[in-house]
Amino acid sequence: EPEVTQTPSHQVTQMGQEVILRCVPISNHLYFYWYRQILGQKVEFLVSFYNNEISEKSEIFDDQFSVERPDGSNFTLKIRSTKLEDSAMYFCASSASGETQYFGPGTRLLVL
Amino acid sequence: GQQLNQSPQSMFIQEGEDVSMNCTSSSIFNTWLWYKQDPGEGPVLLIALYKAGELTSNGRLTAQFGITRKDSFLNISASIPSDVGIYFCAGQKTGTASKLTFGTGTRLQVTL
Repeated sequence: EPEVTQTPSHQVTQMGQEVILRCVPISNHLYFYWYRQILGQKVEFLVSFYNNEISEKSEIFDDQFSVERPDGSNFTLKIRSTKLEDSAMYFCASSASGETQYFGPGTRLLVL
Repeated sequence: GQQLNQSPQSMFIQEGEDVSMNCTSSSIFNTWLWYKQDPGEGPVLLIALYKAGELTSNGRLTAQFGITRKDSFLNISASIPSDVGIYFCAGQKTGTASKLTFGTGTRLQVTL
């Protein structure tokens, strides 16, 4: 069964450094999303992406965040200058039609 | 922002028991989804509900989309140890690439 994949599974970085989280959505899907989950809390929406542009973003998704679909298969989330409070699990999701969303296994980001 | 409250927050049950959990919202959603999350992994879709009043089953799982479109419940029959995890409801409004708003989660633990 096709699935969303994410790399790396874990990332440790120093505060102020840039990180890029990578996702390969399910191959025929057209809608892509990033969510995050701070330890012990609920999953929170960051951004949605369709037709090579951002459809919607949350208050969390400030100028330090950006997304890109650099080729036909990858979807990336960049955090320009990480802060301690960016430590969380980051989940990529994709959808064929914008309805049912399928999630990847996540990248655990730890900012020191 | 929109809040989805789940109850109970956590539950301990005996193997073989039936489980019921619910999710309520202050606002209307057009789609309700139920996900299960195992520790350190991404949410896995269990059931999707698209119509008010809809009752849908997936094996031992049954979920209903409330008639007011502000609530949903999930039942698990004859629980087994692998049912352990956190169950999240998620609501989605109409609109292209619409984000998911997640509930606060119900942690299920099963004792033998």
